[in-house]
Amino acid sequence: DAGVTQSPTHLIKTRGQQVTLRCSPKSGHDTVSWYQQALGQGPQFIFQYYEEEERQRGNFPDRFSGHQFPNYSSELNVNALLLGDSALYLCASSAGLEEFEFLNTGELFFGEGSRLTVL
Amino acid sequence: AQTVTQSQPEMSVQEAETVTLSCTYDTSESDYYLFWYKQPPSRQMILVIRQEAYKQQNATENRFSVNFQKAAKSFSLKISDSQLGDAAMYFCAYRNIYNQGGKLIFGQGTELSVKP
Repeated sequence: DAGVTQSPTHLIKTRGQQVTLRCSPKSGHDTVSWYQQALGQGPQFIFQYYEEEERQRGNFPDRFSGHQFPNYSSELNVNALLLGDSALYLCASSAGLEEFEFLNTGELFFGEGSRLTVL
Repeated sequence: AQTVTQSQPEMSVQEAETVTLSCTYDTSESDYYLFWYKQPPSRQMILVIRQEAYKQQNATENRFSVNFQKAAKSFSLKISDSQLGDAAMYFCAYRNIYNQGGKLIFGQGTELSVKP
């Protein structure tokens, strides 16, 4: 059973460029969340996708956008890259957002991340 | 807004000894989940243990246990019989109980080293 897979693992971009990161959720999961982890910091929530819609968003500018496909995979796009966007980008998947499952802890499974360096 | 604070940037423990990592949080909610995640050099976040705030009993998973003090908003992780493979970054995290599969709020992390 494949876990959460992310690509690419490493990439280098220059300021002003655009980048697309990809994530395939764990089998059976339909919800994908993205996190940004700066060096030496804890991950920061970017947004969450469920049923191909953005359901929650953290405190990130509109330069950060995403998409979820019918097969539940997801992309994170960042436009007009800044030096401060250099970070490890983590994708996490989970199963279900139905409210009646509120007692389900909705455990997140993380991928190994995509390391983005902006020069 | 909820916050999570880990005041120990680095900790060290001798192999086979016990170590406790500290975490405090702030929230106005009465029901929520707390987690400890481990992040080894491979970068993948691995869930170590979770605690439901409505449960008074402290969670335990093999050598890992927590001391959950709800009134004090404290959530420490105790690792017993430390092993070399326990060396990693450890993150404390909070999630609203109704926030299914979504926003986790992480602390800054504690880097644990294990000495042979």
